[in-house]
Amino acid sequence: KQEVTQIPAALSVPEGENLVLNCSFTDSAIYNLQWFRQDPGKGLTSLLLIQSSQREQTSGRLNASLDKSSGRSTLYIAASQPGDSATYLCAVGSSNTGKLIFGQGTTLQVKP
Amino acid sequence: DTGVSQDPRHKITKRGQNVTFRCDPISEHNRLYWYRQTLGQGPEFLTYFQNEAQLEKSRLLSDRFSAERPKGSFSTLEIQRTEQGDSAMYLCASSRERLGGDNEQFFGPGTRLTVL
Repeated sequence: KQEVTQIPAALSVPEGENLVLNCSFTDSAIYNLQWFRQDPGKGLTSLLLIQSSQREQTSGRLNASLDKSSGRSTLYIAASQPGDSATYLCAVGSSNTGKLIFGQGTTLQVKP
Repeated sequence: DTGVSQDPRHKITKRGQNVTFRCDPISEHNRLYWYRQTLGQGPEFLTYFQNEAQLEKSRLLSDRFSAERPKGSFSTLEIQRTEQGDSAMYLCASSRERLGGDNEQFFGPGTRLTVL
């Protein structure tokens, strides 16, 4: 059974810092991995998707990496801003149905 | 470009009542998913449709829950005889399954259910 863990559960940084969010999964037989952002009381916004054959994806200040053999993914945020404050969720996609298994999220606070 | 929409956005009901939620996926997306999220947790998979066929249901989906996707377009999720433990955010997502595609899922704003 696939299990997804995100560490740390919460993170507070000053504006301008570069930071890394971690995601680990127990079964390396994945189809893809998605990173999402969730603002309080809102739905999920897709940030980056990495297919199982890829090693990383980049969008603006965000870079996500995937190492299937070690069961790990990282989300790197460069030059953090107060507007980046949100919960970041990692989700692993299965091969057959595409259903996502989520971690519990990392709540990020960027202080001005 | 219209994203995934859900209705209602909030629902307050009394224990024992039935509720129904609606999800309209992105047009041309043939896959539709329902998830449930409780406070402080990541979403949990409930069920999945490919076109009009319901292909997988989680063990979380008790017999009080039923989902449909008639004609492979919008979907409804009904909860009968609601319990306080059903209070959660119900999220809908859609994706386009295609050969060699990435199956990226796009989520709606969710329906917040409160059972009193």
